[in-house]
Amino acid sequence: EAGVTQFPSHSVIEKGQTVTLRCDPISGHDNLYWYRRVMGKEIKFLLHFVKESKQDESGMPNNRFLAERTGGTYSTLKVQPAELEDSGVYFCASSRGLYGTEAFFGQGTRLTVV
Amino acid sequence: GQSLEQPSEVTAVEGAIVQINCTYQTSGFYGLSWYQQHDGGAPTFLSYNALDGLEETGRFSSFLSRSDSYGYLLLQELQMKDSASYFCAVIDDKIIFGKGTRLHILP
Repeated sequence: EAGVTQFPSHSVIEKGQTVTLRCDPISGHDNLYWYRRVMGKEIKFLLHFVKESKQDESGMPNNRFLAERTGGTYSTLKVQPAELEDSGVYFCASSRGLYGTEAFFGQGTRLTVV
Repeated sequence: GQSLEQPSEVTAVEGAIVQINCTYQTSGFYGLSWYQQHDGGAPTFLSYNALDGLEETGRFSSFLSRSDSYGYLLLQELQMKDSASYFCAVIDDKIIFGKGTRLHILP
């Protein structure tokens, strides 16, 4: 089965521009997570979808970030307008269940805002 | 608030044994997981403990004490390829990661 795929793998944009990151989870996985890792620091939780519903978006830094999950399949994370501090690696993960079921991570999108 | 504490760095010698500790304080708790991340790569699942005790998977073992809000990852017969960052993660109603422990292995 295909793993979690993220697109693009790298993105360099100027401050003030808009960027949209995409994540395709493993088919059949209801749970989808977005995380961000900045400069080798912690893997910071952004939000959690269960199917198409936002279960928890407490980690979203501000209203410049918008996440959607169309039909409970793929998800997008839009940053608009991007700021310098948004730079980092954005990881998407999916899991079939939650309690004890391992989460599978995509390779991440490295976002650089200049 | 929710917090997970683990050492930022650990250094060990090839062939040796190393233990990476994790303490947590979270509003909810269903279990503790461990993930490995190599530079430039994606985090990959290593283990999960829902109950107290030791879980062994090959060279890696993971321990949990729910009463102490404490767990550890034990790596035996260290190999150079084990050089990576290791994250403990609490399973609440979402997955919350610690800040990671960078493991350096000396030949």
